[in-house]
Amino acid sequence: KAGVTQTPRYLIKTRGQQVTLSCSPISGHRSVSWYQQTPGQGLQFLFEYFSETQRNKGNFPGRFSGRQFSNSRSEMNVSTLELGDSALYLCASTAGLGPTDTQYFGPGTRLTVL
Amino acid sequence: GEDVEQSLFLSVREGDSSVINCTYTDSSSTYLYWYKQEPGAGLQLLTYIFSNMDMKQDQRLTVLLNKKDKHLSLRIADTQTGDSAIYFCAEVDSGNTPLVFGKGTRLSVIA
Repeated sequence: KAGVTQTPRYLIKTRGQQVTLSCSPISGHRSVSWYQQTPGQGLQFLFEYFSETQRNKGNFPGRFSGRQFSNSRSEMNVSTLELGDSALYLCASTAGLGPTDTQYFGPGTRLTVL
Repeated sequence: GEDVEQSLFLSVREGDSSVINCTYTDSSSTYLYWYKQEPGAGLQLLTYIFSNMDMKQDQRLTVLLNKKDKHLSLRIADTQTGDSAIYFCAEVDSGNTPLVFGKGTRLSVIA
Protein backbone atom coordinates (compact mmCIF):
# COMPACT_ATOMS: atom_id res chain seq x y z
CA LYS A 1 0.00 0.00 0.00
CA ALA A 2 1.53 3.32 -1.02
CA GLY A 3 2.14 5.84 1.75
CA VAL A 4 1.26 9.51 1.87
CA THR A 5 2.88 11.38 -0.98
CA GLN A 6 3.60 15.06 -1.11
CA THR A 7 4.64 17.11 -4.10
CA PRO A 8 6.85 18.85 -4.71
CA ARG A 9 9.46 17.78 -2.16
CA TYR A 10 11.40 21.03 -2.40
CA LEU A 11 10.34 24.48 -3.48
CA ILE A 12 12.05 27.87 -3.62
CA LYS A 13 9.93 31.00 -3.95
CA THR A 14 10.43 34.70 -3.42
CA ARG A 15 8.54 37.03 -1.11
CA GLY A 16 5.15 38.06 -2.40
CA GLN A 17 4.65 34.99 -4.57
CA GLN A 18 2.06 32.34 -3.92
CA VAL A 19 2.53 28.58 -3.70
CA THR A 20 0.41 25.44 -3.87
CA LEU A 21 1.42 22.20 -2.20
CA SER A 22 -0.19 18.86 -2.87
CA CYS A 23 -0.86 15.82 -0.70
CA SER A 24 -2.15 12.43 -1.78
CA PRO A 25 -3.37 10.38 1.19
CA ILE A 26 -3.16 6.64 1.63
CA SER A 27 -5.80 4.92 -0.48
CA GLY A 28 -9.07 4.75 1.41
CA HIS A 29 -8.15 7.50 3.88
CA ARG A 30 -10.61 10.38 3.90
CA SER A 31 -9.04 12.71 6.46
CA VAL A 32 -6.05 14.90 5.61
CA SER A 33 -4.32 17.25 8.04
CA TRP A 34 -1.56 19.78 7.40
CA TYR A 35 1.20 20.88 9.78
CA GLN A 36 3.96 23.46 9.52
CA GLN A 37 7.34 22.56 11.03
CA THR A 38 9.93 25.26 11.76
CA PRO A 39 12.99 25.21 14.05
CA GLY A 40 11.59 28.04 16.16
CA GLN A 41 7.91 27.13 16.50
CA GLY A 42 8.14 23.37 16.06
CA LEU A 43 5.13 21.57 14.60
CA GLN A 44 1.96 23.60 14.33
CA PHE A 45 -1.43 22.49 13.08
CA LEU A 46 -2.73 24.27 9.99
CA PHE A 47 -6.03 22.58 9.09
CA GLU A 48 -7.84 19.29 8.66
CA TYR A 49 -10.17 18.17 5.89
CA PHE A 50 -12.60 15.27 5.83
CA SER A 51 -14.82 14.45 2.89
CA GLU A 52 -14.01 17.78 1.22
CA THR A 53 -15.01 19.80 4.31
CA GLN A 54 -12.68 21.70 6.60
CA ARG A 55 -13.22 20.25 10.08
CA ASN A 56 -10.61 22.10 12.04
CA LYS A 57 -8.33 25.07 11.57
CA GLY A 58 -5.22 26.22 13.40
CA ASN A 59 -4.19 29.74 14.28
CA PHE A 60 -2.70 30.87 10.97
CA PRO A 61 -3.48 33.97 8.92
CA GLY A 62 -5.92 33.88 6.04
CA ARG A 63 -3.02 33.70 3.58
CA PHE A 64 -2.98 30.00 4.36
CA SER A 65 -5.82 28.09 2.79
CA GLY A 66 -6.56 24.57 1.73
CA ARG A 67 -9.04 22.33 0.05
CA GLN A 68 -9.79 18.68 -0.48
CA PHE A 69 -11.02 17.02 -3.62
CA SER A 70 -13.52 14.20 -4.01
CA ASN A 71 -10.66 11.68 -4.33
CA SER A 72 -9.38 12.87 -0.91
CA ARG A 73 -6.29 14.52 -2.37
CA SER A 74 -5.63 17.84 -0.70
CA GLU A 75 -3.88 21.03 -1.60
CA MET A 76 -2.76 23.92 0.55
CA ASN A 77 -2.07 27.38 -0.77
CA VAL A 78 -0.05 30.18 0.72
CA SER A 79 -0.48 33.58 -0.86
CA THR A 80 1.79 36.62 -0.55
CA LEU A 81 4.68 34.60 0.82
CA GLU A 82 6.75 35.97 3.67
CA LEU A 83 10.25 34.95 4.76
CA GLY A 84 8.77 33.41 7.89
CA ASP A 85 6.76 30.97 5.78
CA SER A 86 9.95 29.02 5.10
CA ALA A 87 9.28 25.65 6.68
CA LEU A 88 8.70 21.96 6.20
CA TYR A 89 5.01 21.41 5.45
CA LEU A 90 3.78 18.00 6.50
CA CYS A 91 0.59 16.31 5.50
CA ALA A 92 -0.97 13.41 7.38
CA SER A 93 -3.84 11.12 6.49
CA THR A 94 -6.08 8.94 8.63
CA ALA A 95 -8.80 6.45 7.85
CA GLY A 96 -11.19 7.84 10.44
CA LEU A 97 -11.59 10.66 12.91
CA GLY A 98 -10.99 8.94 16.22
CA PRO A 99 -7.94 9.57 18.45
CA THR A 100 -6.67 6.05 17.89
CA ASP A 101 -6.87 6.36 14.11
CA THR A 102 -3.19 6.55 13.30
CA GLN A 103 -2.04 9.65 11.46
CA TYR A 104 0.35 8.62 8.70
CA PHE A 105 2.67 11.43 7.73
CA GLY A 106 4.20 12.14 4.35
CA PRO A 107 7.85 13.17 3.92
CA GLY A 108 6.92 16.82 3.66
CA THR A 109 7.49 19.69 1.25
CA ARG A 110 10.39 21.95 2.18
CA LEU A 111 9.52 25.51 1.20
CA THR A 112 12.22 28.16 1.13
CA VAL A 113 11.16 31.79 0.72
CA LEU A 114 13.90 34.19 -0.41
CA GLY B 1 -3.39 27.49 25.21
CA GLU B 2 -2.05 23.99 25.42
CA ASP B 3 1.69 23.56 25.73
CA VAL B 4 3.95 20.52 25.50
CA GLU B 5 7.55 20.74 26.71
CA GLN B 6 10.48 18.44 26.05
CA SER B 7 14.21 18.62 26.64
CA LEU B 8 16.00 19.23 23.36
CA PHE B 9 18.86 16.73 23.43
CA LEU B 10 19.69 13.31 24.83
CA SER B 11 22.82 11.26 24.26
CA VAL B 12 23.13 7.59 25.26
CA ARG B 13 25.48 4.70 24.60
CA GLU B 14 24.38 1.83 22.42
CA GLY B 15 22.79 -0.90 24.52
CA ASP B 16 21.77 1.45 27.33
CA SER B 17 18.19 2.54 28.00
CA SER B 18 17.00 5.96 26.84
CA VAL B 19 14.37 7.93 28.70
CA ILE B 20 12.75 10.87 26.94
CA ASN B 21 10.54 13.10 29.07
CA CYS B 22 7.63 15.36 28.24
CA THR B 23 5.32 17.61 30.25
CA TYR B 24 2.01 19.02 29.08
CA THR B 25 -0.42 21.58 30.40
CA ASP B 26 -3.80 20.55 28.96
CA SER B 27 -5.67 18.74 31.72
CA SER B 28 -8.28 17.57 29.21
CA SER B 29 -5.76 15.65 27.11
CA THR B 30 -7.26 12.29 26.29
CA TYR B 31 -4.52 10.69 24.22
CA LEU B 32 -0.77 11.22 24.28
CA TYR B 33 1.52 10.10 21.52
CA TRP B 34 5.16 9.54 20.74
CA TYR B 35 6.36 10.15 17.19
CA LYS B 36 9.79 9.57 15.66
CA GLN B 37 11.28 11.67 12.86
CA GLU B 38 14.36 10.54 10.97
CA PRO B 39 16.32 12.92 8.73
CA GLY B 40 14.46 13.78 5.54
CA ALA B 41 11.39 11.84 6.60
CA GLY B 42 7.96 12.58 7.97
CA LEU B 43 6.75 11.57 11.40
CA GLN B 44 6.23 7.95 12.34
CA LEU B 45 3.83 7.08 15.15
CA LEU B 46 5.64 4.89 17.70
CA THR B 47 2.99 4.44 20.35
CA TYR B 48 0.19 6.19 22.18
CA ILE B 49 -1.42 6.01 25.60
CA PHE B 50 -4.92 6.83 26.77
CA SER B 51 -5.08 9.25 29.66
CA ASN B 52 -6.67 6.73 32.03
CA MET B 53 -3.66 4.41 31.73
CA ASP B 54 -0.44 4.60 33.74
CA MET B 55 1.80 2.50 31.57
CA LYS B 56 1.94 0.88 28.18
CA GLN B 57 4.62 -1.51 26.93
CA ASP B 58 5.29 -2.34 23.31
CA GLN B 59 8.41 -4.43 22.67
CA ARG B 60 11.40 -2.18 23.52
CA LEU B 61 9.17 0.83 24.22
CA THR B 62 7.62 1.64 27.59
CA VAL B 63 5.41 4.68 28.07
CA LEU B 64 4.75 5.98 31.57
CA LEU B 65 2.05 8.56 32.28
CA ASN B 66 1.72 10.53 35.50
CA LYS B 67 -1.55 12.34 34.96
CA LYS B 68 -1.39 14.22 38.26
CA ASP B 69 1.95 15.80 37.31
CA LYS B 70 1.08 15.89 33.57
CA HIS B 71 4.32 14.05 32.84
CA LEU B 72 4.87 11.52 30.07
CA SER B 73 8.00 9.51 29.41
CA LEU B 74 9.21 7.15 26.71
CA ARG B 75 11.77 4.53 27.64
CA ILE B 76 13.63 2.74 24.86
CA ALA B 77 15.35 -0.40 26.08
CA ASP B 78 18.61 -1.62 24.51
CA THR B 79 18.98 1.54 22.44
CA GLN B 80 20.47 0.99 18.99
CA THR B 81 22.16 3.38 16.55
CA GLY B 82 19.05 3.10 14.38
CA ASP B 83 17.10 4.76 17.19
CA SER B 84 18.96 8.04 16.57
CA ALA B 85 16.25 10.49 15.56
CA ILE B 86 14.06 13.29 16.88
CA TYR B 87 11.27 12.14 19.17
CA PHE B 88 8.10 14.20 19.53
CA CYS B 89 5.56 14.04 22.27
CA ALA B 90 2.03 15.10 21.23
CA GLU B 91 -1.40 15.32 22.81
CA VAL B 92 -4.99 15.71 21.70
CA ASP B 93 -8.05 16.43 23.78
CA SER B 94 -10.74 15.12 21.43
CA GLY B 95 -10.96 13.50 18.02
CA ASN B 96 -7.60 13.22 16.34
CA THR B 97 -6.82 16.87 15.65
CA PRO B 98 -5.30 19.13 16.33
CA LEU B 99 -2.29 17.32 17.65
CA VAL B 100 -0.25 19.63 19.88
CA PHE B 101 3.43 18.74 19.62
CA GLY B 102 6.47 19.38 21.76
CA LYS B 103 9.56 20.81 20.09
CA GLY B 104 11.16 17.36 19.92
CA THR B 105 14.09 15.64 21.65
CA ARG B 106 17.09 14.80 19.48
CA LEU B 107 18.37 11.38 20.58
CA SER B 108 21.98 10.57 19.67
CA VAL B 109 23.16 7.01 20.17
CA ILE B 110 26.90 6.55 20.56
CA ALA B 111 28.32 3.24 19.38
